[in-house]
Amino acid sequence: DGGITQSPKYLFRKEGQNVTLSCEQNLNHDAMYWYRQDPGQGLRLIYYSQIVNDFQKGDIAEGYSVSREKKESFPLTVTSAQKNPTAFYLCASRGWSSGNNEQFFGPGTRLTVL
Amino acid sequence: QQPVQSPQAVILREGEDAVINCSSSKALYSVHWYRQKHGEAPVFLMILLKGGEQKGHEKISASFNEKKQQSSLYLTASQLSYSGTYFCGTEQVQGAQKLVFGQGTRLTINP
Repeated sequence: DGGITQSPKYLFRKEGQNVTLSCEQNLNHDAMYWYRQDPGQGLRLIYYSQIVNDFQKGDIAEGYSVSREKKESFPLTVTSAQKNPTAFYLCASRGWSSGNNEQFFGPGTRLTVL
Repeated sequence: QQPVQSPQAVILREGEDAVINCSSSKALYSVHWYRQKHGEAPVFLMILLKGGEQKGHEKISASFNEKKQQSSLYLTASQLSYSGTYFCGTEQVQGAQKLVFGQGTRLTINP
């Protein structure tokens, strides 16, 4: 089945530690995105990548880093520089084949800083 | 550049209709609608492209008014399963193929 997987589902981190969230897709989509959602709030864009080996900052990139070495994978690292990292992190992918350009989300990773 | 959704929340009885609006101050290329259940990821409902085409999906449909840069989501004869938070994501004409999301509309359907 085609889809987007994120791991882990829940993640606990001590202050000062870096953590990496995984995102993999087998939809053959070119573009991938990372969003952050705080309780009761909307979705804010952290980073996005439209092609392998290239990515751009979104609206709230400070304290985060990404890489796009493979088309299928777009991991997000939450660094110790992120002041308030506790949130729900959502990865998404999007393709443009046959005129379809829907964007789909993975199941998300819930990060809690202890 | 964040689109504005209205209303922020709505409570209905099963079988009633609802309309959720999404407005932008920027020229839009597309509008995407999602529904999110509590604790889950957003689920794609439909996409509307520049051109004003109205789309439908069972009892859920949507329209896109280019002149007003506004999209509306219509839920008719609502079911309990329609409960959740609805988000619109907008893509600008002069943009980088990324979506900017509204703050969401919480829909509660009571029996």
